[in-house]
Amino acid sequence: ETGVTQTPRHLVMGMTNKKSLKCEQHLGHNAMYWYKQSAKKPLELMFVYSLEERVENNSVPSRFSPECPNSSHLFLHLHTLQPEDSALYLCASSQELAANEQFFGPGTRLTVL
Amino acid sequence: KNQVEQSPQSLIILEGKNCTLQCNYTVSPFSNLRWYKQDTGRGPVSLTIMTFSENTKSNGRYTATLDADTKQSSLHITASQLSDSASYICVVSRYYGNNRLAFGKGNQVVVIP
Repeated sequence: ETGVTQTPRHLVMGMTNKKSLKCEQHLGHNAMYWYKQSAKKPLELMFVYSLEERVENNSVPSRFSPECPNSSHLFLHLHTLQPEDSALYLCASSQELAANEQFFGPGTRLTVL
Repeated sequence: KNQVEQSPQSLIILEGKNCTLQCNYTVSPFSNLRWYKQDTGRGPVSLTIMTFSENTKSNGRYTATLDADTKQSSLHITASQLSDSASYICVVSRYYGNNRLAFGKGNQVVVIP
């Protein structure tokens, strides 16, 4: 295991539901990331947090809302999603923001009906 | 256009055979290149990292090469095993900036008995 855990591993939700994805890292890292992985596409960086502060938001729709209460935990709150948001959502962490090795969690497979 | 292109998109190989995956990139200024292995239902895990001055690096049956002049890398899998079935993702890091990583779409490898 990489030291990064994600829950739930699978999630099916309707377009009007509100749900949250959780990520926890046990590595003592200072930076955490949310990625979206769709079939046959490169990983898309969504959000970057460094020392609990958001440092990057890559033009992500407001129906995705991140939260980083401390350096070990990262959440992604979901609200009124669209079917095209169905994807694998990966959380990652790195020692620091400038570090080029990121450690990934197993991902949450999200299906929006 | 994606800054990291991988080929072939997918391939099927017989157990015990060798295969080579290609990665071409345009990322600049170049810092390093990693190959990640992503098993189905799991997050990517780093296999190798190569910096500008390194031409080849091995990790067990995996051997990565880098030609920084032509901006090409390859990942060679020797004596493939069923457990090598996975997606192999080439990730190139820029020398500076918060969003340093550029991801390829991955090479999907299926090893059959």
